[in-house]
Amino acid sequence: AQRVTQPEKLLSVFKGAPVELKCNYSYSGSPELFWYVQYSRQRLQLLLRHISRESIKGFTADLNKGETSFHLKKPFAQEEDSAMYYCASFCFSGGSNYKLTFGKGTLLTVNP
Amino acid sequence: DSGVTQTPKHLITATGQRVTLRCSPRSGDLSVYWYQQSLDQGLQFLIQYYNGEERAKGNILERFSAQQFPDLHSELNLSSLELGDSALYFCASSPPPGQPYGYTFGSGTRLTVV
Repeated sequence: AQRVTQPEKLLSVFKGAPVELKCNYSYSGSPELFWYVQYSRQRLQLLLRHISRESIKGFTADLNKGETSFHLKKPFAQEEDSAMYYCASFCFSGGSNYKLTFGKGTLLTVNP
Repeated sequence: DSGVTQTPKHLITATGQRVTLRCSPRSGDLSVYWYQQSLDQGLQFLIQYYNGEERAKGNILERFSAQQFPDLHSELNLSSLELGDSALYFCASSPPPGQPYGYTFGSGTRLTVV
């Protein structure tokens, strides 16, 4: 079974500091990985998908298959980045069924 | 607007009561997923439907049930409500296999049991 681990429940940094939100996955196949962001208990929004190799709002995430990690990084955190961040792993589970498994989330607080 | 519509946005009810939460998926999406988000448990997967059929079950209590109708909207029924059922309930939808994937979430229903 796939599992997504976000070891930090809370992360607090100062504005302008680099930030890294950790995510590790366990999946025997080739996973598709995502980062979702949730601002102030609003709906979850897709932030990044590893397959796109894009940078959104200054955030990037690189899939490291050797370390089974997909850490989210931003070189200079902004106060508006304060939110809950969820790492998620996607896999097919047979037939036409596929499922997204979420980590428990990391609450990022960026202090002024 | 994400395209996934959830109603109602807020619900306050008493213990022991029963409520129904509704979700309309994004146009073209066949799968609907229900999640419960609480402060202590985080985001918990409850159940998934695909084109009207139940496909996966997560940590869903027996007091809870769901269904997906022919028009693809889904309802989550919560009965014999307890204080601990107070949470944000999210619905998400995803497209059929072969199409660009990813979940689209609704804005959630905030349930408060008093």
